[in-house]
Amino acid sequence: GQSLEQPSEVTAVEGAIVQINCTYQTSGFYGLSWYQQHDGGAPTFLSYNALDGLEETGRFSSFLSRSDSYGYLLLQELQMKDSASYFCAVTGGGNKLTFGTGTQLKVEL
Amino acid sequence: DAGVTQSPTHLIKTRGQQVTLRCSPKSGHDTVSWYQQALGQGPQFIFQYYEEEERQRGNFPDRFSGHQYPNYSSELNVNALLLGDSALYLCAGSTGAQFYGYTFGSGTRLTVV
Repeated sequence: GQSLEQPSEVTAVEGAIVQINCTYQTSGFYGLSWYQQHDGGAPTFLSYNALDGLEETGRFSSFLSRSDSYGYLLLQELQMKDSASYFCAVTGGGNKLTFGTGTQLKVEL
Repeated sequence: DAGVTQSPTHLIKTRGQQVTLRCSPKSGHDTVSWYQQALGQGPQFIFQYYEEEERQRGNFPDRFSGHQYPNYSSELNVNALLLGDSALYLCAGSTGAQFYGYTFGSGTRLTVV
């Protein structure tokens, strides 16, 4: 089976940097993705790591360590619109996505 | 180019009834995956359809079934509804060889009373 753990909630101020961690246990692993979901909305793809290291996409960066079964999403220059839930997800066999329970990010003034 | 379209957006059903949810992936996507997202939880994989066949299935009972049409659109059917089936049902489109970057619809909010 597969399981992913994330902090349930993170709070930060506008303009700051925040890191959301994800640890996983899987029986099959192709890569780790991150999705953003605003209340009642569709999950939106942010980033993907198949290999160890850092991937940067604008204000968002994602890191993966396969040996540690660990990854994180780094959000820089936080904006109020970044307040949302963030999910890590493992791509396993058959391109199946297994999601974590999600981290609710609250950005305050 | 339209994104993933799901219908209806909201639905209220009575326990024991049956429901059909619909999904049209965006152009170029031939694979459809369905997820159930309970309030405050991450999406849970139900099943995936490719070339009109169920390619993979998650840990859901046989009350959950699906179908994919030649135009790649898909349906999710749930029989004998339970209160616990109340959730947001999400559809995601991808290509058969795609590992990431799936495109999700906004979902159907199903409430079972």
